[in-house]
Amino acid sequence: GAGVSQSPRYKVAKRGQDVALRCDPISGHVSLFWYQQALGQGPEFLTYFQNEAQLDKSGLPSDRFFAERPEGSVSTLKIQRTQQEDSAVYLCASSSRDRGLFSGYTFGSGTRLTVV
Amino acid sequence: DQQVKQNSPSLSVQEGRISILNCDYTNSMFDYFLWYKKYPAEGPTFLISISSIKDKNEDGRFTVFLNKSAKHLSLHIVPSQPGDSAVYFCATLNTGTASKLTFGTGTRLQVTL
Repeated sequence: GAGVSQSPRYKVAKRGQDVALRCDPISGHVSLFWYQQALGQGPEFLTYFQNEAQLDKSGLPSDRFFAERPEGSVSTLKIQRTQQEDSAVYLCASSSRDRGLFSGYTFGSGTRLTVV
Repeated sequence: DQQVKQNSPSLSVQEGRISILNCDYTNSMFDYFLWYKKYPAEGPTFLISISSIKDKNEDGRFTVFLNKSAKHLSLHIVPSQPGDSAVYFCATLNTGTASKLTFGTGTRLQVTL
């Protein structure tokens, strides 16, 4: 597609439920990033893939968060046993550059997760 | 610890006037700086960037200024237009070690008629 596509756009989960958020990057983009944006805050880095390799997962807040990109294209961010503090917008970005620098980032519209 | 700060959560400017958005950072290892614009229910979109080897970069109505000694950057929009109303995030990068952007908390700009 022309842009980065994320699904679902909105997700309401009961506390303790597992969720999976999907990101379809721009075709051919090597780098893929996940960010978490809490209400009233800026996006915060979660994890970075170069093709299928997860090169940086230093931003994942706990071991309940897991991301994968098995074939180097679509990526899934999974959150196990969701908690209320996980409520946020989850943004995916992709880039054709191998390190995703500069203006090459294209963000998706995000998935708004609400944990009740 | 907030490494990138945008101390003004909101700003209101009249159409045609200059909008000045400010950003301060603490990490001297940051060497590349970007501004993103975000409309509601959309992802951030890239606006303009500047490398630490420069102190100014201009693109049409948008100019970014960098003061390395003060660890301060600003975005100037002139003339401001109603369509510029959005949330603006500054973001920083250490090109030597990391690919991740560190964002500020954002400034909501409202351009009034």
